Amino acid sequence: QSALTQPASVSGSPGQSITITCTGTSSDVGAYNYVSWCQQHPGKAPKLIIYDVSNRPSGVSNRFSGSKSGNTASLTISGLQAEDEADYYCSSFTISSTLVFGGGTKLTVL
Amino acid sequence: EVQLVQSGTEVKKPGESLKISCKGSAYSFTSYWIGWVRQMPGKGLELMGIIYPGDSDTRYSPSFQGQVTISADRSITTAYLQWSSLKASDTAMYYCARGTSLARYFDYWGQGTLVTVSS
Repeated sequence: QSALTQPASVSGSPGQSITITCTGTSSDVGAYNYVSWCQQHPGKAPKLIIYDVSNRPSGVSNRFSGSKSGNTASLTISGLQAEDEADYYCSSFTISSTLVFGGGTKLTVL
Repeated sequence: EVQLVQSGTEVKKPGESLKISCKGSAYSFTSYWIGWVRQMPGKGLELMGIIYPGDSDTRYSPSFQGQVTISADRSITTAYLQWSSLKASDTAMYYCARGTSLARYFDYWGQGTLVTVSS
């Protein structure tokens, strides 16, 4: 199972919005509405921020939103803040009943 | 509060065996999957495999099948990841995470266990 494709890096200024894409295939992203996103700060464990394409766990800021179209899922962060600087990973459930991760995207807040 | 607490940093030599642990608390340990995720230095996340402690159903990602063993002890709400013969390429941070509904996503993560394999 190949990793999902994410841009290696994105950047934005405080207050702006950015979008990170996650491209898969009809066997994973396109198969189900089971895409999730996690945030990882340097030296820390990942933290779930979006599940089932667009749902936020309790306590996650509503500045984070998710969507999906076909084989591509997206994470949008609005009102960018310095604390949002981190690595972001998408993941998707697959038709093989396993989970595949994206390669990760480093977000830099300028 | 749901917690997954992992065992501490390990430094081992090639060829040695190792078993690291992940203790779950404040939830029904037998009702959720536990996944093990590898993160090699400077790299991304890779799912190694998952286990359902309720019935010990264990599934491995193809790249890790035969390379590691995942197990769980319901009586002490602890999952394990073990190697019989470590290689330098096993040097990585290893995370356990709680998965829902066949681990279609992981909602809680352990703090990670750093494993260094060096002669």
